[in-house]
Amino acid sequence: AQTVTQSQPEMSVQEAETVTLSCTYDTSESDYYLFWYKQPPSRQMILVIRQEAYKQQNATENRFSVNFQKAAKSFSLKISDSQLGDAAMYFCAYIHAGGTSYGKLTFGQGTILTVHP
Amino acid sequence: DARVTQTPRHKVTEMGQEVTMRCQPILGHNTVFWYRQTMMQGLELLAYFRNRAPLDDSGMPKDRFSAEMPDATLATLKIQPSEPRDSAVYFCASGLVPGAYGYTFGSGTRLTVV
Repeated sequence: AQTVTQSQPEMSVQEAETVTLSCTYDTSESDYYLFWYKQPPSRQMILVIRQEAYKQQNATENRFSVNFQKAAKSFSLKISDSQLGDAAMYFCAYIHAGGTSYGKLTFGQGTILTVHP
Repeated sequence: DARVTQTPRHKVTEMGQEVTMRCQPILGHNTVFWYRQTMMQGLELLAYFRNRAPLDDSGMPKDRFSAEMPDATLATLKIQPSEPRDSAVYFCASGLVPGAYGYTFGSGTRLTVV
């Protein structure tokens, strides 16, 4: 079964600084999608960024970027110029693009990010 | 913006009572998920449907939980009888397979069983 691992239960960063959240995954598939979701205290799940496994280019969305290492099965999230509003729980997630679990979404355990003013 | 609507937002019930949570997926979405979030277990997949047919409910305690999609605009998750260990936030999400753009989540139902 596919698993997603976030080894950092908690991280902290100073406002305006950069922080990187780690994620690794285990899969035998060659085609899949990876995501980072943000869950602020309001508990709403918000999609931050997405990456298609067949694309080598790392995705970027404004201050958010990923470092996708397919061979290493690693998918880290970098937040630049951190803002107080970035404080939240961040989940790494995997979607199967084929096979018997086609479309199934699996989450990592989450990383709580604290932003200090 | 289109949204996934979950009701109720909060529910407090006594042990042994039946609980029904409802989800209205985004119109046109063909895949619906139910997740449970707790501090100890994180986000657990309970069940998911495609075109209203159940695909995988292996994460759901079968003896007390049931999930259905009576029509394309409604998904339900029932717990009968409820137990204190069922206290959690339950999320519904919908989207179009294969999910290349992710799935959209509802605001969740916070269930407390006393």
